[in-house]
Amino acid sequence: GAGVSQSPSNKVTEKGKDVELRCDPISGHTALYWYRQSLGQGLEFLIYFQGNSAPDKSGLPSDRFSAERTGGSVSTLTIQRTQQEDSAVYLCASSLSGGRGGEKLFFGSGTQLSVL
Amino acid sequence: DQQVKQNSPSLSVQEGRISILNCDYTNSMFDYFLWYKKYPAEGPTFLISISSIKDKNEDGRFTVFLNKSAKHLSLHIVPSQPGDSAVYFCAASARSQAGTALIFGKGTTLSVSS
Repeated sequence: GAGVSQSPSNKVTEKGKDVELRCDPISGHTALYWYRQSLGQGLEFLIYFQGNSAPDKSGLPSDRFSAERTGGSVSTLTIQRTQQEDSAVYLCASSLSGGRGGEKLFFGSGTQLSVL
Repeated sequence: DQQVKQNSPSLSVQEGRISILNCDYTNSMFDYFLWYKKYPAEGPTFLISISSIKDKNEDGRFTVFLNKSAKHLSLHIVPSQPGDSAVYFCAASARSQAGTALIFGKGTTLSVSS
């Protein structure tokens, strides 16, 4: 596609429910990242996929968070038993390779998650 | 424990003047630095980058300066324009460590008045 696509753009859910956020990276980009931005905070790294390598999950805040990347393309970020502190903008980004870090990232517009 | 710090949450500048946004980092392994710009309801977009082997990189109205000894970098925008009003994020990575993600600061909101 022309850019990184994320869906839904907005998600309102009740505390305790599970949510799934989707990311379609730029075609041909092998690296995919999830970040989140809470109110007044910077971009917090969550998880990073690079090709067929095991993902770097070091940024996931709890075991309620998980992510998959199927076929080296589309990724889904799942948050189980959502809490109010999970409310944030979840941003997905992709880059051409990412193999050595510091690659220019292309971001999607994000999913605004609101947990009531 | 923030590895990338942007200590000024906001900056206001008049159109035509210089905007200087600052960023400090703590990790001496960082060797590549980037600035991203973010408008409301949009994802961040890449603006300019600098490798640790340089101390300056210029692209049109945007210049990034790197002071490795002070672990400090700054973004200069001159002349500033109202369209530059956005949130600016500083980011850093350790390219020598394969597979590491960018670490971002909290951002500085720039407001350019006409």
